[in-house]
Amino acid sequence: EDKVVQSPLSLVVHEGDTVTLNCSYEVTNFRSLLWYKQEKKAPTFLFMLTSSGIEKKSGRLSSILDKKELFSILNITATQTGDSAVYLCAVGGGGSQGNLIFGKGTKLSVKP
Amino acid sequence: AAGVIQSPRHLIKEKRETATLKCYPIPRHDTVYWYQQGPGQDPQFLISFYEKMQSDKGSIPDRFSAQQFSDYHSELNMSSLELGDSALYFCASSLEGSYAYEQYFGPGTRLTVT
Repeated sequence: EDKVVQSPLSLVVHEGDTVTLNCSYEVTNFRSLLWYKQEKKAPTFLFMLTSSGIEKKSGRLSSILDKKELFSILNITATQTGDSAVYLCAVGGGGSQGNLIFGKGTKLSVKP
Repeated sequence: AAGVIQSPRHLIKEKRETATLKCYPIPRHDTVYWYQQGPGQDPQFLISFYEKMQSDKGSIPDRFSAQQFSDYHSELNMSSLELGDSALYFCASSLEGSYAYEQYFGPGTRLTVT
């Protein structure tokens, strides 16, 4: 059965800390791995990763994929209270033609 | 930039009633996906359409149906509503979605069944 596992499930840090969120997957016919940020609304697209070892970066956020070990990490440096959200990892693949298999998410709380 | 539009944003229905949710994808996007997210749950894939044809089917109940129209908007029809159908329903769109390209989510429709 295809699955996406995120860890930790929740994390509390203080402003300025650096955090690393993990996502491992077992999905047949892997196509892509996506990271989303979800506050009290729709998931907001962050990154899509398809190739191993190529870091994607956007401001204080960065992500990398390891297709050999079947995992990805999302790094957030110099965290701010506005980074508080649930971060969802989703993988495209399996028997589907495009739908995403989501992990349970990591709930990040950044304290002032 | 234009985003995915969903309507209505909130909907309250009683058990056994029907509901229709609408989704307007980002312009030029040809693929639409529907997801259901229960309280504290991750989004679960329901169904998707590519070029007006159903492309994939997930955990969509038989009481639900959906279609994509010639202008690429999609509608999710839900009948015989049950309390357990209360959830946030997201629509996402992508371009050439047969390869799980970047999916952009709409704001969601919060359905409450009483």
